[in-house]
Amino acid sequence: AQSVSQHNHHVILSEAASLELGCNYSYGGTVNLFWYVQYPGQHLQLLLKYFSGDPLVKGIKGFEAEFIKSKFSFNLRKPSVQWSDTAEYFCAVKDNYGQNFVFGPGTRLSVLP
Amino acid sequence: NAGVTQTPKFRVLKTGQSMTLLCAQDMNHEYMYWYRQDPGMGLRLIHYSVGEGTTAKGEVPDGYNVSRLKKQNFLLGLESAAPSQTSVYFCASVRDGSYEQYFGPGTRLTVT
Repeated sequence: AQSVSQHNHHVILSEAASLELGCNYSYGGTVNLFWYVQYPGQHLQLLLKYFSGDPLVKGIKGFEAEFIKSKFSFNLRKPSVQWSDTAEYFCAVKDNYGQNFVFGPGTRLSVLP
Repeated sequence: NAGVTQTPKFRVLKTGQSMTLLCAQDMNHEYMYWYRQDPGMGLRLIHYSVGEGTTAKGEVPDGYNVSRLKKQNFLLGLESAAPSQTSVYFCASVRDGSYEQYFGPGTRLTVT
């Protein structure tokens, strides 16, 4: 079965620092990849998604992610974080064999002002 | 356009009680999902539905039942609540082909 791992449980950064959150999945076939964000007290919102084509995808709020098929990875990046980026970030994968989405355990990001 | 709504927002149950969580979406989406969110475990899929009248088991279906009698509604039932079902429950819907999930605001359930 598909599984998703996220490298860090909790990341603490100062404002303007660069961010990279790791995500790896286990299934090697064709997949659709997603990053969701959950701000404190709110529901999950889509940051960006990858289906096919250019492996570097851009999302909302200055986030981007790179799909590296050979490494089964889909890492999230942002060049300069803001205090308002404090949230929990979830990587999710859907393979082409069903309608299931599998989420990673999440990474909590705390940005210090 | 309300998107995805969930009822209730909070609930406290005693062990053995039953309840139904309601998820409603007004976007005419085909697919709907129920997840539970627990600290350090991300979201785990309980059940899902690919259309009116259909349901399927997800990763953690035990102790839950679901029904999708109308396209816009997806109900999650707990027949006999257990403390292990204390969690935050999220519903999501997906438009066919887009794979983008729209989430509801969540229901925080505590079972004592």
